[in-house]
Amino acid sequence: DMKVTQMPRYLIKRMGENVLLECGQDMSHETMYWYRQDPGLGLQLIYISYDVDSNSEGDIPKGYRVSRKKREHFSLILDSAKTNQTSVYFCASRSGDSDYTFGSGTRLLVI
Amino acid sequence: GDSVTQTEGPVTVSESESLIINCTYSATSIAYPNLFWYVRYPGEGLQLLLKVITAGQKGSSRGFEATYNKETTSFHLQKASVQESDSAVYYCALGARLSGSFNKLTFGAGTRLAVCP
Repeated sequence: DMKVTQMPRYLIKRMGENVLLECGQDMSHETMYWYRQDPGLGLQLIYISYDVDSNSEGDIPKGYRVSRKKREHFSLILDSAKTNQTSVYFCASRSGDSDYTFGSGTRLLVI
Repeated sequence: GDSVTQTEGPVTVSESESLIINCTYSATSIAYPNLFWYVRYPGEGLQLLLKVITAGQKGSSRGFEATYNKETTSFHLQKASVQESDSAVYYCALGARLSGSFNKLTFGAGTRLAVCP
């Protein structure tokens, strides 16, 4: 079953803690994305990964970093989380010009 | 930059009524972007509902349809008769190439649709 899996689904962290959001895909897609969505806004692109160790900033990369050591895994890291990083985070993958496949999202609350 | 504006939700309609969710776009990075409608059902990820890559063409899926209108820069989503199972959040998006073969989606804020029985 072709899918993108995000873990965890829900997460509560205190301000200043480190946060790791995981994304996996079983389709061997070379390109992966991290988006966030806030109320009243569309999904905003945080980072793109073109393949292993080949990452590029999106529109709102500040406060985030990513890691892609295997093609099937793409991690989003928040070093010292801030309350304004409370959001729903979506991971997506695609191959070439194929349609995007999205995960179900991780709802992060930073208190 | 590119932007997408769509009907602000929530939108509530009764089952079997018609539906239109408006979407207009502004594409500065590309003359004729690809246009998409995605849907997100509760607890699930975004799913592609329909897409149109050529201006003037219409896309359709599951009873929904949208026409790519480059004159009015619009891509409104319509359905003649909605069902309760259509309750979801609908996102309009445009796709543009960043460089080479790499693509980026720009999304609208989403429109939450509630269909009442």
